[in-house]
Amino acid sequence: QQPVQSPQAVILREGEDAVINCSSSKALYSVHWYRQKHGEAPVFLMILLKGGEQKGHEKISASFNEKKQQSSLYLTASQLSYSGTYFCGTEIELSGTASKLTFGTGTRLQVTL
Amino acid sequence: GAVVSQHPSRVICKSGTSVKIECRSLDFQATTMFWYRQFPKQSLMLMATSNEGSKATYEQGVEKDKFLINHASLTLSTLTVTSAHPEDSSFYICSASTPSFSSYEQYFGPGTRLTVT
Repeated sequence: QQPVQSPQAVILREGEDAVINCSSSKALYSVHWYRQKHGEAPVFLMILLKGGEQKGHEKISASFNEKKQQSSLYLTASQLSYSGTYFCGTEIELSGTASKLTFGTGTRLQVTL
Repeated sequence: GAVVSQHPSRVICKSGTSVKIECRSLDFQATTMFWYRQFPKQSLMLMATSNEGSKATYEQGVEKDKFLINHASLTLSTLTVTSAHPEDSSFYICSASTPSFSSYEQYFGPGTRLTVT
């Protein structure tokens, strides 16, 4: 079953913050976050492993609550370049080789002046 | 590093013909490649997992005889859409992964937009 993301869409003014949530009905091993601009391939942002770690990359960070099977992506002081559709990709098993990802429903984010 | 290319970027073909899409990892060896299909304003849907030197594993509902996948080397996987129909029109994206990346990150190619007329 596809992970559910919320909100479906959000419009921000430049400099504002946003939180994107990803919720799965299955126990997760890892969560991957991607940003996709229209007509382009998804770009890898970060990966979070089972263990509840939090990661950050400049003004973008994320958390992973394995007990709740949820992950959140935090965008602070948003920039115009942050516009795009954000997808979480969830991995439910570790097989020793690259495991397949199930992508969430997506969140469209638009940053305006 | 971690650059994945796809060719062609766009293709228009007539109904009933076959189309081959190539996915290459340019600066690393990819033991596993994935093929996705994405319809407008929708999420990525995994079609199949391709491991070098072995048969691809298809997701439920994906016709293996229609979508032929070959992963002949550690840098190249191909997807052939056979007897294409208008409903096969979509954005096809490959991704590549290798054990040298931490936690098997996937890196995506730029995608191929297929239009079947």
